[in-house]
Amino acid sequence: AQSVTQLDSQVPVFEEAPVELRCNYSSSVSVYLFWYVQYPNQGLQLLLKYLSGSTLVKGINGFEAEFNKSQTSFHLRKPSVHISDTAEYFCAVTINTGRRALTFGSGTRLQVQP
Amino acid sequence: EADIYQTPRYLVIGTGKKITLECSQTMGHDKMYWYQQDPGMELHLIHYSYGVNSTEKGDLSSESTVSRIRTEHFPLTLESARPSHTSQYLCASSRTGGDTEAFFGQGTRLTVV
Repeated sequence: AQSVTQLDSQVPVFEEAPVELRCNYSSSVSVYLFWYVQYPNQGLQLLLKYLSGSTLVKGINGFEAEFNKSQTSFHLRKPSVHISDTAEYFCAVTINTGRRALTFGSGTRLQVQP
Repeated sequence: EADIYQTPRYLVIGTGKKITLECSQTMGHDKMYWYQQDPGMELHLIHYSYGVNSTEKGDLSSESTVSRIRTEHFPLTLESARPSHTSQYLCASSRTGGDTEAFFGQGTRLTVV
């Protein structure tokens, strides 16, 4: 079975600073990887996804992530954050066989301070 | 904009009551899911469906049940609510194929008193 580990439960950062949210996965088969964002009292919104091809994936709101197969990582980055980026960020994985339901990490709370 | 809807958004109910959380999608997706999320915690899959009349239990054991009589509708039922059922419940759907993302509803925050 696949699993996801988000190493940081909270990441405080000042506005306009760069940020990296870390995600590592474990799977014995090929995977598809996703980052979702959740604003307070809302559902989840897709930021970006890696399916195949280029390991650098660009998403909405200026976010990007890099798939590293050797390190089994899919870290999320943004060069300059805004107050409005304050939210919970979830890394998720699914496999290309079998059930294919998303398995989520425990989430990282990004707190952007002025 | 994703077309998946959950009602109600918030529900406070007494112990022992029967409740049904509604989830509907207008995208024609075959696959639908229910996740349970406690505050500040990860999402746990409790039910999923591949299509009409197909439902399976997820990774997290749940006393709730689901049905899938129509493609667009995937309600979750608790026969007798307990305080331990207090949580946020998120419904999602996706097309068949692991390379497609899941679209989420806004969630139902359930409080059992």
